[in-house]
Amino acid sequence: EIGMTQSPDTLSVSPGERVTLSCRASQSVNSNLAWYQQKPGQAPRLLIYGASTRATGIPARFSGSGSGTEFTLTISSLQSEDFAVYYCQQYNNWPPQYTFGQGAKLEIK
Amino acid sequence: EVHLLESGGGLVQPGGSLRLSCAVSGFTFNDYAMTWVRQAPGKGLEWVSSITGSGGSTYYADSVKGRFTISRDNSKNTLYLQMNTLRAEDTALYYCAKDQIAGIAVVGLLGHWGQGTPVTVSS
Repeated sequence: EIGMTQSPDTLSVSPGERVTLSCRASQSVNSNLAWYQQKPGQAPRLLIYGASTRATGIPARFSGSGSGTEFTLTISSLQSEDFAVYYCQQYNNWPPQYTFGQGAKLEIK
Repeated sequence: EVHLLESGGGLVQPGGSLRLSCAVSGFTFNDYAMTWVRQAPGKGLEWVSSITGSGGSTYYADSVKGRFTISRDNSKNTLYLQMNTLRAEDTALYYCAKDQIAGIAVVGLLGHWGQGTPVTVSS
């Protein structure tokens, strides 16, 4: 199983700040890496796939980068609606054994 | 508009069984692989199982292999998860999710999610 580790677990930030979240895979997942946002009481929402492609309707302030084992999600200027938990997920395995990171919570400072 | 609606969750004793359903609309169901993901209370996301659009291939997490069975009825636009020999650690909110990309294989990129159905395993 490919392990996914996110850092930090929790980040306290102020609106307007630039935020970078990290995700590390225990082995290469190529660019088969997605980021999801989950707000309290809601289902996850796909933000980024292919490590760097924004999903439909996702604002340009969200960007992803990386390949292989190291990935980042950047929010260029944090808005109030961005306070949530963010998960990375690899979908590189065959046969499928998809794994998620443990999540990173963005809190209001 | 894509819509996924899970049902069938509830309280069950350890060792018991439940069948979850996920009714979908807004897309050509048999063009897309489908996946179940669960989230234990206060915890992160865990991939459970996936099935190809035809239903011909299925895949399971080691934690549920041999106990859970994923299936689909493409004539009814419905995905299922039969859960047997349930354990306390299966307690979670169970989401169904649709692959982002149409195709004959499972991609595992989850573009649309339902709101989940809760499963509690307790005596």
